[in-house]
Amino acid sequence: EPEVTQTPSHQVTQMGQEVILRCVPISNHLYFYWYRQILGQKVEFLVSFYNNEISEKSEIFDDQFSVERPDGSNFTLKIRSTKLEDSAMYFCASSDVGNSPLHFGNGTRLTVT
Amino acid sequence: GENVEQHPSTLSVQEGDSAVIKCTYSDSASNYFPWYKQELGKRPQLIIDIRSNVGEKKDQRIAVTLNKTAKHFSLHITETQPEDSAVYFCAASETGGFKTIFGAGTRLFVKA
Repeated sequence: EPEVTQTPSHQVTQMGQEVILRCVPISNHLYFYWYRQILGQKVEFLVSFYNNEISEKSEIFDDQFSVERPDGSNFTLKIRSTKLEDSAMYFCASSDVGNSPLHFGNGTRLTVT
Repeated sequence: GENVEQHPSTLSVQEGDSAVIKCTYSDSASNYFPWYKQELGKRPQLIIDIRSNVGEKKDQRIAVTLNKTAKHFSLHITETQPEDSAVYFCAASETGGFKTIFGAGTRLFVKA
């Protein structure tokens, strides 16, 4: 069964640094998403991406964040000037159409020190 | 925007008993309601979903009900087993499907 893959599995960075989290969605999926989960808490929506542009974003997704689909397979989340409170598990997900099951990757655990 | 409330936050049952988790949503435009199971340290995975044109759906030991008028939906797990122990999230997605909002999660413990 095809899967969403995310790299790296764990990223440690210093406060103020920039990080790029990478995802390869399932190949025939058209909708891509980033979610965040602070340890032991809810899965929070960050952004959705369709047809090469942002479709929706939450209030968390401010100017510090950006997404990009640099080629036909990768989908990235960039966090500029990281803060301690950005420490969380970041999940990429994809779906073939809207209003359909989200297929999550295994996540990238971001630790900001 | 959509807000999904979920309760209880923790549920402990004896093996073989039933478990019920309840959610409410705020946006009447939401029309797709998935449930995800997340085991410790793993990714959320879909276990069942229901659309707004259906009142109930069942898959073996798992069933989901939806009351659109009251904006309530519930997950029912019968004959619980220790491997059902996990965190369960309800979610709601509005027409267009660009944003799925999750509830806060229910940690289910099934005691053998």
